[in-house]
Amino acid sequence: ELKVEQNPLFLSMQEGKNYTIYCNYSTTSDRLYWYRQDPGKSLESLFVLLSNGAVKQEGRLMASLDTKARLSTLHITAAVHDLSATYFCAVRKGETSGSRLTFGEGTQLTVNP
Amino acid sequence: DTEVTQTPKHLVMGMTNKKSLKCEQHMGHRAMYWYKQKAKKPPELMFVYSYEKLSINESVPSRFSPECPNSSLLNLHLHALQPEDSALYLCASSQVARTDTQYFGPGTRLTVL
Repeated sequence: ELKVEQNPLFLSMQEGKNYTIYCNYSTTSDRLYWYRQDPGKSLESLFVLLSNGAVKQEGRLMASLDTKARLSTLHITAAVHDLSATYFCAVRKGETSGSRLTFGEGTQLTVNP
Repeated sequence: DTEVTQTPKHLVMGMTNKKSLKCEQHMGHRAMYWYKQKAKKPPELMFVYSYEKLSINESVPSRFSPECPNSSLLNLHLHALQPEDSALYLCASSQVARTDTQYFGPGTRLTVL
Protein backbone atom coordinates (compact mmCIF):
# COMPACT_ATOMS: atom_id res chain seq x y z
CA GLU A 1 0.00 0.00 0.00
CA LEU A 2 1.34 3.40 -0.99
CA LYS A 3 1.80 5.75 1.95
CA VAL A 4 2.63 9.43 1.71
CA GLU A 5 3.90 11.35 4.71
CA GLN A 6 4.30 15.07 4.97
CA ASN A 7 6.07 17.04 7.62
CA PRO A 8 5.57 19.27 9.32
CA LEU A 9 1.77 19.09 9.49
CA PHE A 10 1.58 22.59 10.93
CA LEU A 11 3.97 25.40 10.17
CA SER A 12 3.84 28.91 11.52
CA MET A 13 6.44 31.23 10.11
CA GLN A 14 7.26 34.90 9.92
CA GLU A 15 7.19 36.90 6.74
CA GLY A 16 10.55 37.03 5.07
CA LYS A 17 11.74 33.68 6.41
CA ASN A 18 12.58 30.52 4.48
CA TYR A 19 11.32 27.04 5.18
CA THR A 20 10.96 23.59 3.62
CA ILE A 21 8.07 21.12 3.62
CA TYR A 22 8.98 17.46 3.17
CA CYS A 23 7.04 14.71 1.45
CA ASN A 24 8.12 11.07 1.77
CA TYR A 25 6.43 8.20 -0.02
CA SER A 26 6.70 4.47 0.45
CA THR A 27 6.77 2.86 -3.00
CA THR A 28 8.22 3.63 -6.38
CA SER A 29 6.45 6.33 -8.31
CA ASP A 30 7.63 8.57 -11.13
CA ARG A 31 5.11 11.32 -10.65
CA LEU A 32 4.59 13.67 -7.76
CA TYR A 33 2.24 16.62 -7.48
CA TRP A 34 1.97 19.59 -5.18
CA TYR A 35 -1.37 21.27 -4.58
CA ARG A 36 -2.46 24.28 -2.58
CA GLN A 37 -5.81 24.60 -0.82
CA ASP A 38 -7.16 27.77 0.75
CA PRO A 39 -9.74 27.38 3.55
CA GLY A 40 -13.12 26.34 2.17
CA LYS A 41 -11.77 26.29 -1.38
CA SER A 42 -10.73 23.70 -3.89
CA LEU A 43 -7.28 22.42 -4.74
CA GLU A 44 -5.01 24.41 -7.01
CA SER A 45 -2.27 22.61 -8.92
CA LEU A 46 1.19 24.03 -8.19
CA PHE A 47 3.72 21.61 -9.62
CA VAL A 48 4.05 18.22 -11.27
CA LEU A 49 7.44 16.54 -10.97
CA LEU A 50 8.07 13.78 -13.46
CA SER A 51 11.62 12.57 -13.05
CA ASN A 52 14.47 12.15 -10.62
CA GLY A 53 16.20 15.44 -9.99
CA ALA A 54 13.30 17.50 -11.34
CA VAL A 55 13.14 21.01 -9.96
CA LYS A 56 10.37 23.52 -10.62
CA GLN A 57 9.97 27.06 -9.39
CA GLU A 58 7.09 29.49 -9.37
CA GLY A 59 7.51 32.73 -7.51
CA ARG A 60 8.57 32.05 -3.92
CA LEU A 61 7.93 28.30 -4.17
CA MET A 62 10.37 25.70 -5.45
CA ALA A 63 9.70 21.97 -5.61
CA SER A 64 12.17 19.15 -6.14
CA LEU A 65 12.02 15.40 -6.47
CA ASP A 66 14.48 12.65 -5.50
CA THR A 67 12.96 9.37 -6.64
CA LYS A 68 15.79 7.30 -5.18
CA ALA A 69 15.16 8.69 -1.71
CA ARG A 70 11.38 8.80 -2.39
CA LEU A 71 11.41 12.39 -1.22
CA SER A 72 10.05 15.65 -2.51
CA THR A 73 10.56 19.05 -0.97
CA LEU A 74 8.64 22.30 -1.28
CA HIS A 75 10.86 25.21 -0.40
CA ILE A 76 9.42 28.57 0.53
CA THR A 77 11.64 31.61 0.07
CA ALA A 78 10.99 34.90 1.87
CA ALA A 79 7.46 33.96 2.86
CA VAL A 80 4.59 36.42 2.50
CA HIS A 81 1.13 36.32 4.08
CA ASP A 82 -0.51 35.35 0.79
CA LEU A 83 1.22 31.96 0.97
CA SER A 84 -0.87 30.97 4.00
CA ALA A 85 -2.77 27.84 2.95
CA THR A 86 -2.66 24.06 3.22
CA TYR A 87 -0.18 22.36 0.93
CA PHE A 88 -0.63 18.77 -0.17
CA CYS A 89 1.76 16.50 -1.97
CA ALA A 90 0.26 13.62 -3.92
CA VAL A 91 1.87 10.58 -5.49
CA ARG A 92 0.53 8.75 -8.49
CA LYS A 93 0.14 5.00 -8.41
CA GLY A 94 0.69 3.64 -11.87
CA GLU A 95 -2.52 3.08 -13.76
CA THR A 96 -3.13 2.80 -17.46
CA SER A 97 -6.46 4.60 -17.45
CA GLY A 98 -6.94 7.55 -15.18
CA SER A 99 -4.60 8.06 -12.28
CA ARG A 100 -5.01 7.13 -8.64
CA LEU A 101 -3.46 9.81 -6.44
CA THR A 102 -2.53 9.22 -2.84
CA PHE A 103 -2.33 12.46 -0.88
CA GLY A 104 -0.23 13.33 2.12
CA GLU A 105 -2.00 14.66 5.20
CA GLY A 106 -1.25 18.24 4.20
CA THR A 107 0.86 20.99 5.76
CA GLN A 108 -1.11 23.89 7.16
CA LEU A 109 1.07 26.94 6.64
CA THR A 110 0.46 30.21 8.44
CA VAL A 111 2.65 33.19 7.57
CA ASN A 112 2.58 35.89 10.23
CA PRO A 113 3.43 39.56 9.67
CA ASP B 1 -9.20 27.28 -19.84
CA THR B 2 -8.57 24.97 -16.88
CA GLU B 3 -12.01 25.22 -15.33
CA VAL B 4 -14.03 22.43 -13.80
CA THR B 5 -17.48 23.49 -12.66
CA GLN B 6 -19.65 21.82 -10.04
CA THR B 7 -23.25 22.30 -9.01
CA PRO B 8 -24.71 22.85 -6.54
CA LYS B 9 -22.19 24.64 -4.31
CA HIS B 10 -24.06 23.64 -1.18
CA LEU B 11 -26.55 20.84 -0.57
CA VAL B 12 -28.49 19.90 2.54
CA MET B 13 -30.40 16.64 2.42
CA GLY B 14 -32.17 14.24 4.69
CA MET B 15 -31.27 10.59 4.98
CA THR B 16 -34.23 9.53 2.86
CA ASN B 17 -33.67 12.00 0.05
CA LYS B 18 -32.29 11.37 -3.42
CA LYS B 19 -30.09 14.07 -4.91
CA SER B 20 -27.40 14.42 -7.56
CA LEU B 21 -24.14 16.31 -7.84
CA LYS B 22 -23.03 17.53 -11.24
CA CYS B 23 -19.57 18.18 -12.65
CA GLU B 24 -18.64 19.60 -16.06
CA GLN B 25 -15.39 20.29 -17.90
CA HIS B 26 -14.65 21.47 -21.43
CA MET B 27 -10.91 20.90 -21.55
CA GLY B 28 -11.16 17.75 -23.61
CA HIS B 29 -10.04 15.64 -20.66
CA ARG B 30 -10.98 11.98 -20.88
CA ALA B 31 -10.49 11.08 -17.22
CA MET B 32 -12.81 12.38 -14.51
CA TYR B 33 -12.77 11.79 -10.78
CA TRP B 34 -14.87 12.07 -7.65
CA TYR B 35 -13.19 12.75 -4.31
CA LYS B 36 -14.57 13.13 -0.81
CA GLN B 37 -12.82 15.51 1.59
CA LYS B 38 -13.54 15.81 5.28
CA ALA B 39 -12.48 18.92 7.19
CA LYS B 40 -8.71 19.25 7.66
CA LYS B 41 -8.09 15.97 5.83
CA PRO B 42 -6.74 15.19 2.37
CA PRO B 43 -9.08 14.28 -0.47
CA GLU B 44 -10.00 10.59 -0.71
CA LEU B 45 -10.55 9.10 -4.13
CA MET B 46 -14.00 7.60 -4.71
CA PHE B 47 -14.32 6.91 -8.44
CA VAL B 48 -12.37 7.31 -11.67
CA TYR B 49 -13.89 7.37 -15.14
CA SER B 50 -11.66 6.97 -18.16
CA TYR B 51 -13.13 7.41 -21.63
CA GLU B 52 -16.59 7.45 -20.03
CA LYS B 53 -16.10 4.05 -18.44
CA LEU B 54 -15.74 3.40 -14.72
CA SER B 55 -12.14 2.33 -14.21
CA ILE B 56 -11.67 2.67 -10.46
CA ASN B 57 -14.17 2.27 -7.63
CA GLU B 58 -12.51 2.60 -4.26
CA SER B 59 -14.99 0.33 -2.48
CA VAL B 60 -17.48 3.14 -2.10
CA PRO B 61 -20.87 2.26 -0.53
CA SER B 62 -23.66 1.73 -3.03
CA ARG B 63 -25.57 4.74 -1.72
CA PHE B 64 -23.15 6.69 -3.95
CA SER B 65 -23.74 5.99 -7.64
CA PRO B 66 -21.57 7.66 -10.29
CA GLU B 67 -22.55 8.27 -13.87
CA CYS B 68 -20.65 9.65 -16.83
CA PRO B 69 -23.20 10.53 -19.57
CA ASN B 70 -20.56 11.94 -21.93
CA SER B 71 -16.94 13.04 -22.00
CA SER B 72 -17.72 16.44 -20.44
CA LEU B 73 -20.14 15.49 -17.69
CA LEU B 74 -19.89 13.52 -14.49
CA ASN B 75 -22.69 12.97 -12.00
CA LEU B 76 -22.81 11.54 -8.53
CA HIS B 77 -26.22 10.24 -7.47
CA LEU B 78 -26.89 10.17 -3.76
CA HIS B 79 -29.48 8.05 -1.98
CA ALA B 80 -30.08 7.13 1.66
CA LEU B 81 -26.97 8.89 2.87
CA GLN B 82 -25.78 8.94 6.45
CA PRO B 83 -24.72 11.98 8.51
CA GLU B 84 -21.09 10.79 8.31
CA ASP B 85 -21.27 11.31 4.55
CA SER B 86 -21.31 15.05 5.14
CA ALA B 87 -18.19 16.42 3.45
CA LEU B 88 -16.84 18.44 0.56
CA TYR B 89 -17.22 16.49 -2.67
CA LEU B 90 -14.66 17.41 -5.28
CA CYS B 91 -14.68 16.62 -8.95
CA ALA B 92 -11.48 16.61 -10.99
CA SER B 93 -10.47 15.95 -14.56
CA SER B 94 -7.24 15.17 -16.37
CA GLN B 95 -5.80 13.98 -19.62
CA VAL B 96 -5.09 10.29 -19.91
CA ALA B 97 -1.42 10.92 -20.57
CA ARG B 98 1.98 11.06 -18.91
CA THR B 99 1.38 14.63 -17.81
CA ASP B 100 -1.99 13.96 -16.22
CA THR B 101 -2.31 16.76 -13.71
CA GLN B 102 -5.76 16.67 -12.17
CA TYR B 103 -7.68 19.94 -12.19
CA PHE B 104 -10.21 20.26 -9.41
CA GLY B 105 -13.59 21.91 -9.34
CA PRO B 106 -14.74 24.17 -6.49
CA GLY B 107 -16.60 21.34 -4.78
CA THR B 108 -20.07 20.73 -3.37
CA ARG B 109 -20.39 21.04 0.37
CA LEU B 110 -22.86 18.36 1.40
CA THR B 111 -24.65 18.21 4.74
CA VAL B 112 -26.74 15.15 5.59
CA LEU B 113 -29.22 15.66 8.40
